[in-house]
Amino acid sequence: EDKVVQSPLSLVVHEGDTVTLNCSYEVTNFRSLLWYKQEKKAPTFLFMLTSSGIEKKSGRLSSILDKKELFSILNITATQTGDSAVYLCAVSGGSNYKLTFGKGTLLTVNP
Amino acid sequence: GAGVSQSPSNKVTEKGKDVELRCDPISGHTALYWYRQSLGQGLEFLIYFQGNSAPDKSGLPSDRFSAERTGGSVSTLTIQRTQQEDSAVYLCASSLVGGQGSGNTIYFGEGSWLTVV
Repeated sequence: EDKVVQSPLSLVVHEGDTVTLNCSYEVTNFRSLLWYKQEKKAPTFLFMLTSSGIEKKSGRLSSILDKKELFSILNITATQTGDSAVYLCAVSGGSNYKLTFGKGTLLTVNP
Repeated sequence: GAGVSQSPSNKVTEKGKDVELRCDPISGHTALYWYRQSLGQGLEFLIYFQGNSAPDKSGLPSDRFSAERTGGSVSTLTIQRTQQEDSAVYLCASSLVGGQGSGNTIYFGEGSWLTVV
């Protein structure tokens, strides 16, 4: 059974801090690892990672995958209050449409 | 509409009653997914529709749960004889083709929050 573990489960920081969110996984026939941001209701797509060592970057957010050690990190630099959300990590395995999600990391950025 | 639309946004029902949750995917999207998110848990896959193919129902937790997709567009998730453990947010998503891939993003709706009392 595929499994995704995220840490920490929650994190409180001040604006301007840099945070690193962790995601480890066990999956059969790994296809991709995905990061989503869930602010109130609908998760929104951030990154899809398929290859080790290649950083994906979007503004202050970046992510990288290590397929040997089976983990990924999501970095957010110069955090803002608008970054407060639950960050979800998911993997797709044998079937590319069935995602297995972790429980998420609740990030709170205080002014 | 521009995004995935779900209704109702909130539903409170008595234990034992049946409920129907509706999903309108983004126009033109052939793939449709249902996930469930219980309090403090990650999203749990329920069912997947792709075009006219037989749906993958492997995630449905019991035979009280069923879903259909009419005309390749709107989908309805039905829960019969609801139980308190069914309380969760039911999220629908759609994508142009099946699976999250390069250039193919899965878009989620805002969910239907179901509370069974």
